[in-house]
Amino acid sequence: GDSVTQMEGPVTLSEEAFLTINCTYTATGYPSLFWYVQYPGEGLQLLLKATKADDKGSNKGFEATYRKETTSFHLEKGSVQVSDSAVYFCALKNPAQGGSEKLVFGKGTKLTVNP
Amino acid sequence: KAGVTQTPRYLIKTRGQQVTLSCSPISGHRSVSWYQQTPGQGLQFLFEYFSETQRNKGNFPGRFSGRQFSNSRSEMNVSTLELGDSALYLCASSLRQLNTEAFFGQGTRLTVV
Repeated sequence: GDSVTQMEGPVTLSEEAFLTINCTYTATGYPSLFWYVQYPGEGLQLLLKATKADDKGSNKGFEATYRKETTSFHLEKGSVQVSDSAVYFCALKNPAQGGSEKLVFGKGTKLTVNP
Repeated sequence: KAGVTQTPRYLIKTRGQQVTLSCSPISGHRSVSWYQQTPGQGLQFLFEYFSETQRNKGNFPGRFSGRQFSNSRSEMNVSTLELGDSALYLCASSLRQLNTEAFFGQGTRLTVV
């Protein structure tokens, strides 16, 4: 079945450092890929998405590029802030699954940014 | 535009009891999915409802059930609660169209004692 593997961390960075969180996937067909973020005590918020190969999703300084050749969707940010401290989830939705809205998630990566 | 609303936010139940959680999707969204989040297993898909019909189901025992009403609001029920059912239960709504995203509620934190 479909699966998502992401670095689990935790990741601790200083403010203004560069961030990379690796995400790779296994899926048949052409899934849509997402990054969600979860702040303490909250639900999930969509950070960015990409729906086809070579698409780049971006939002709030975060970027991720859909790489079909490497089945990857790594999250990057050039300069993190303390407010970016949260748990980040990589996820896929596979239209090959009969139109299902089911999301398959990675385990999540906890990011802590220190001032 | 109101987001996804889940009630209640917190619940404490005793083993053996049953519980019902509620989810109101974003206006216009007819698909509602439920997920269980635990520290050990992460985020796991429970089921999806669209037009009052269950469209997909995850690998959970029959104690977990759900339904959807004509106004797209959804409920999930867990019967004969076990300690391991303690989790954050998240509801997501979507348009159920290709390349669209799901929007999540804040979740219901269930504690089974």
